[in-house]
Amino acid sequence: EAGVAQSPRYKIIEKRQSVAFWCNPISGHATLYWYQQILGQGPKLLIQFQNNGVVDDSQLPKDRFSAERLKGVDSTLKIQPAKLEDSAVYLCASSFGATNEKLFFGSGTQLSVL
Amino acid sequence: QKEVEQNSGPLSVPEGAIASLNCTYSDRVSQSFFWYRQYSGKSPELIMSIYSNGDKEDGRFTAQLNKASQYVSLLIRDSQPSDSATYLCAVKIGTNAGKSTFGDGTTLTVKP
Repeated sequence: EAGVAQSPRYKIIEKRQSVAFWCNPISGHATLYWYQQILGQGPKLLIQFQNNGVVDDSQLPKDRFSAERLKGVDSTLKIQPAKLEDSAVYLCASSFGATNEKLFFGSGTQLSVL
Repeated sequence: QKEVEQNSGPLSVPEGAIASLNCTYSDRVSQSFFWYRQYSGKSPELIMSIYSNGDKEDGRFTAQLNKASQYVSLLIRDSQPSDSATYLCAVKIGTNAGKSTFGDGTTLTVKP
């Protein structure tokens, strides 16, 4: 069974530039999550999709972050414009359902904003 | 107060010892509890889930849940150097479908 695919693996940009991350969940997984993990901290949920609908985006900085999941499969997360404090690992995860389900994580994208 | 709190660590134990990792949570209606292991530079991977009060054992790992005390722990018996990692406690808060909130993790080092 293929895991959660993410790209790119690393990205270095300057502040005020834009960046996009891509995620393809495990086949058949209806729920997709984007987490931000700052060094030394636990993952923080940015947005959760159930199929192609948004379940929770309460912690997404909507003035600069956007995410979409077209057709209920793969997803993109965009930051525009980036700030220094956005430097983090962006983790995509998926689960089969939405309740009491374990998360499968992708390898993450390490973003450095200079 | 954070929703999920873990011992900041780091925790160091000798090989073969029992490692005890602790986690407390603030929301009394939390339903599901998970322990993830994260090796340096890698993504988290699930090692245990627990939903009912009491103990749940899986090999060398035992998860313990006490909902009255809002406390969940992970015991690792016969610790091995390969267990050296950061252990993240995750709690499904309230009734939000599938929203897992993570603690900041405890870093465990097992010394040979």
